[in-house]
Amino acid sequence: DQQVKQNSPSLSVQEGRISILNCDYTNSMFDYFLWYKKYPAEGPTFLISISSIKDKNEDGRFTVFLNKSAKHLSLHIVPSQPGDSAVYFCAAQFGGNFGNEKLTFGTGTRLTIIP
Amino acid sequence: EAEVAQSPRYKITEKSQAVAFWCDPISGHATLYWYRQILGQGPELLVQFQDESVVDDSQLPKDRFSAERLKGVDSTLKIQPAELGDSAMYLCASSLVWTGPTGELFFGEGSRLTVL
Repeated sequence: DQQVKQNSPSLSVQEGRISILNCDYTNSMFDYFLWYKKYPAEGPTFLISISSIKDKNEDGRFTVFLNKSAKHLSLHIVPSQPGDSAVYFCAAQFGGNFGNEKLTFGTGTRLTIIP
Repeated sequence: EAEVAQSPRYKITEKSQAVAFWCDPISGHATLYWYRQILGQGPELLVQFQDESVVDDSQLPKDRFSAERLKGVDSTLKIQPAELGDSAMYLCASSLVWTGPTGELFFGEGSRLTVL
């Protein structure tokens, strides 16, 4: 049962344009959502997160939008740069009790920025 | 900058052999995770430790996989015997006891296992 889904395995975007990566989830009990970026042969690195009580969080070129009613979130990168080429994972986390810190990941979207 | 250390970075082994991976989390991080990432898929949790205690090992194939964190610091993940389907990247991550609203986990560079 895939609780976090990224339906686009790959995405190509021209340098300087906006990149939009999408993620859907099925469990309405998730409290936090995170985006991780992964380069080949490296571990994932944290990019940005959002709490379920918010609908937007912005950090520089990166903005995450959350639509709870649709169980959908998206990551916007503006403007896209060549160094943004990587695999992006959406992840979800339960809140509340201790022991709920583990992340449930989507399958990832490979973003390629075309110079 | 503090990092999660993992070794070895790469391991090639034959089917039915034993393999072991080591992880040293960021100092002060009480929670440690082992994830497995099969090519083309997202990381899946194998086991979560709080100090030396297992919090969640529901997805760990216990007939061949074992994990320990004896002193609540570094950890070892073992596979015996290895099977072809175990070929994957094994990722270790750590976090503070309570990471707050971001829930951020810090990942190591991973150990790439190839089973022949």
